[in-house]
Amino acid sequence: AQRVTQPEKLLSVFKGAPVELKCNYSYSGSPELFWYVQYSRQRLQLLLRHISRESIKGFTADLNKGETSFHLKKPFAQEEDSAMYYCAPMNYGGSQGNLIFGKGTKLSVKP
Amino acid sequence: ETGVTQTPRHLVMGMTNKKSLKCEQHLGHNAMYWYKQSAKKPLELMFVYSLEERVENNSVPSRFSPECPNSSHLFLHLHTLQPEDSALYLCASSQDRAKNIQYFGAGTRLSVL
Repeated sequence: AQRVTQPEKLLSVFKGAPVELKCNYSYSGSPELFWYVQYSRQRLQLLLRHISRESIKGFTADLNKGETSFHLKKPFAQEEDSAMYYCAPMNYGGSQGNLIFGKGTKLSVKP
Repeated sequence: ETGVTQTPRHLVMGMTNKKSLKCEQHLGHNAMYWYKQSAKKPLELMFVYSLEERVENNSVPSRFSPECPNSSHLFLHLHTLQPEDSALYLCASSQDRAKNIQYFGAGTRLSVL
C-alpha cells in the first residue's frame, strides 16, 4: 500500500538553528513529491515540489530514491517558519494520480 | 474574490439535518477536490472532479453527496451525519489532475451534534 510517514509530530528548535523535517514514502513507480505548509490562521499552501529543484523561503528538499525520503531542510530557522508542514507524494501511474498527505509535523521556532 | 472560497466557515448541525457546503474557485481550474481533516488523522481525500465529472470517490459513505454543476463550483451535500463526521472540510482546485499543484480553501469547520 502507498504510504507516507512523517515521524515527528512536533519539532521544536531555536531561531538560527538548522531544521530538518523528515518524510519517508512507500510508493511504487516514480512519485512526484510536494511539501505543503499551513501557517497559523492561513490556508494550506504549496511550499515546494521536488521537480522544481528550487529553494523557497530558504527551504530545500532532496528526493533520495534509495532511502525513499524527501526531507525538508533549512540551515537557519526563523520564527516565521513556525507552522504545520505536510509531505505529500503523488503517483501519476494508473488511477492513482492523487496526493496522499502525511500526518504533518508542527514546527515551532523559539526566539 | 480570487482563489478558492468556501462557505460557510463554520457549521453546526444535528444528525437529522440536511446541509450543504459550498466551494467556489476563480482560478480557471478544471479539477476540484474535497478533503476531510480530522483532529488525529492525516488529510483524507474524499472526492475528485475533473471537468465536472466525478473521477474519484475514495470510499466515502453515501451520507456525503458531492455535486459539481460547473468547473467553478463544488458542493458537498450532507444528510444524517454522525458525530464522528465532525471535522474540517477542505476544498481544493488545480489546473487539471496532471498538474497537481493544489490550491486550498480556508475550510468549513463542521460540528455534528
